[in-house]
Amino acid sequence: EAGVAQSPRYKIIEKRQSVAFWCNPISGHATLYWYQQILGQGPKLLIQFQNNGVVDDSQLPKDRFSAERLKGVDSTLKIQPAKLEDSAVYLCASSRSISTDTQYFGPGTRLTVL
Amino acid sequence: LAKTTQPISMDSYEGQEVNITCSHNNIATNDYITWYQQFPSQGPRFIIQGYKTKVTNEVASLFIPADRKSSTLSLPRVSLSDTAVYYCLVVPNTGRRALTFGSGTRLQVQP
Repeated sequence: EAGVAQSPRYKIIEKRQSVAFWCNPISGHATLYWYQQILGQGPKLLIQFQNNGVVDDSQLPKDRFSAERLKGVDSTLKIQPAKLEDSAVYLCASSRSISTDTQYFGPGTRLTVL
Repeated sequence: LAKTTQPISMDSYEGQEVNITCSHNNIATNDYITWYQQFPSQGPRFIIQGYKTKVTNEVASLFIPADRKSSTLSLPRVSLSDTAVYYCLVVPNTGRRALTFGSGTRLQVQP
């Protein structure tokens, strides 16, 4: 079974620029998560989707971050405009359903904002 | 959500057994205890989960005392490849099941 795919793996931008990350979850997984992991810290949930609906986006900085999962499969996370403090690894994870414990994580996208 | 506390770092040598203890004093009746492992430049990976007593799989064992206020992840005979960050999480049995990660325990295995 193929794992969670993310692209790009690395991205360097200047502050105030825009950036987008893509995630393709494991086939058949209904629930998709985006996490932000700052260096030296554990991942922090940004947004959770169940199919194409948002379940939890309480920690998403909505003034600059947006995410969508239009067809209930792959997802895009966007930052516009980026700030220096957005430098982090952005992890995508998926699970079979909202009631399933095990989440499968992708390799992440390392974002550096200069 | 129950807050977890675990050591920031641990050192070990190859072939030794490593025990990482996590405290979760405010764990709720319906909460499970879950451990994830994260290697550098990779996403976290599920290791083991339990509710009470002892759970064992091919990777690790998880010991949970009767009061469930703490848990211990046991890694038998570690190797260099076990060098990673280990996260202890308390996951509700109901609801959204989003994971709340702490800072984890950084395990360094030396030859």
